Amino acid sequence: AQTVTQSQPEMSVQEAETVTLSCTYDTSESDYYLFWYKQPPSRQMILVIRQEAYKQQNATENRFSVNFQKAAKSFSLKISDSQLGDAAMYFCAYLVNYGGSQGNLIFGKGTKLSVKP
Amino acid sequence: DTAVSQTPKYLVTQMGNDKSIKCEQNLGHDTMYWYKQDSKKFLKIMFSYNNKELIINETVPNRFSPKSPDKAHLNLHINSLELGDSAVYFCASSRNSGTGRDEQFFGPGTRLTVL
Repeated sequence: AQTVTQSQPEMSVQEAETVTLSCTYDTSESDYYLFWYKQPPSRQMILVIRQEAYKQQNATENRFSVNFQKAAKSFSLKISDSQLGDAAMYFCAYLVNYGGSQGNLIFGKGTKLSVKP
Repeated sequence: DTAVSQTPKYLVTQMGNDKSIKCEQNLGHDTMYWYKQDSKKFLKIMFSYNNKELIINETVPNRFSPKSPDKAHLNLHINSLELGDSAVYFCASSRNSGTGRDEQFFGPGTRLTVL
């Protein structure tokens, strides 16, 4: 069974600085999708970025980028030029594939990010 | 327009009661899900439906019964509520392109408090 581990329960960053959130996962699949979701205090789940395992290029979305290390099964999220609005819980997630049928997400336990002005 | 909506957003009830949470999506998606987020913020899949057919049914007490009247709706009915059912329940939906790789869109969540 697949697992997702986020080893940092809390992180803190100064406004305008860069922070990296860690995520490791375990799977026997060779092709899969990974995601980072943001959950602000409003509790809405917001997709931040996705990575396809067969793509060697790291995904980037504006100030958000990932460092995807397939062999190490590592998928970290880098937030550059941190803003106060980035303060939230961040969840790493693995999308289970049921042989082409739409599968569910397996989430890590989350990292609470605080941004200091 | 709200893509995935849930009602109610907050639900406070007594132990032993029966309650329902409704979910609707206007994205034309084929697959819908229920996730539970516990007090420690841990999110876990409960059920998923594809075109009104149950696909995933994780180890969930049979007091929880999902109902999908059509592919745009997936409701969650909970019988004999217990204190441990207190959580935030998220509905989500996705296309089903046949790749198993489609993005899931989440509703705003329903915070259930059982007293």
